[in-house]
Amino acid sequence: GIQVEQSPPDLILQEGANSTLRCNFSDSVNNLQWFHQNPWGQLINLFYIPSGTKQNGRLSATTVATERYSLLYISSSQTTDSGVYFCAGLYQTGANNLFFGTGTRLTVIP
Amino acid sequence: EAQVTQNPRYLITVTGKKLTVTCSQNMNHEYMSWYRQDPGLGLRQIYYSMNVEVTDKGDVPEGYKVSRKEKRNFPLILESPSPNQTSLYFCASSLLGQAFAGVRDTQYFGPGTRLTVL
Repeated sequence: GIQVEQSPPDLILQEGANSTLRCNFSDSVNNLQWFHQNPWGQLINLFYIPSGTKQNGRLSATTVATERYSLLYISSSQTTDSGVYFCAGLYQTGANNLFFGTGTRLTVIP
Repeated sequence: EAQVTQNPRYLITVTGKKLTVTCSQNMNHEYMSWYRQDPGLGLRQIYYSMNVEVTDKGDVPEGYKVSRKEKRNFPLILESPSPNQTSLYFCASSLLGQAFAGVRDTQYFGPGTRLTVL
């Protein structure tokens, strides 16, 4: 399988600050997605971003498939942004095995 | 309300005692999957199912069984649990599955089942 590396592993922000989370893949991936796991363990799909850039409110994501990485931007962070952010992708077209990164744990302090 | 439900939410058991974690979705999704989450390892796929009676191994299938007799249900079975299966388990579903590049297909996750095997 592919290796999915996320950085940084941990991040502490003051409320209102901006941040960038990175996801690197060891091989070409399809169907790249970003998820947020809140402090209660609930997993929510944030973006489906196989390539290009998408924005949703204070969050945006960019994937450069040819260079095997994706970025998640969080602007004007809020305490509700705290949790763990995961990226995930499929190894190859037709496969159904979704590989997850090890996550970035974000803590936003008031 | 569209949702994926899992039961039980918490379970403490002993080595070798067979257990089943149930998963049910009410969205008529074809694709269902089980993951386990361990510290420092992220989520790893155990098994998935593309439709009724169609199941396949994920990344870490050893020690687990699944079945898909009905579209809405996808139980995870541990025939002889061991301490290394202590983990947080998630069930997920999506309309089509992840195999269709370029087709946006959101995965919906259940609330998780925290399993401890003593």
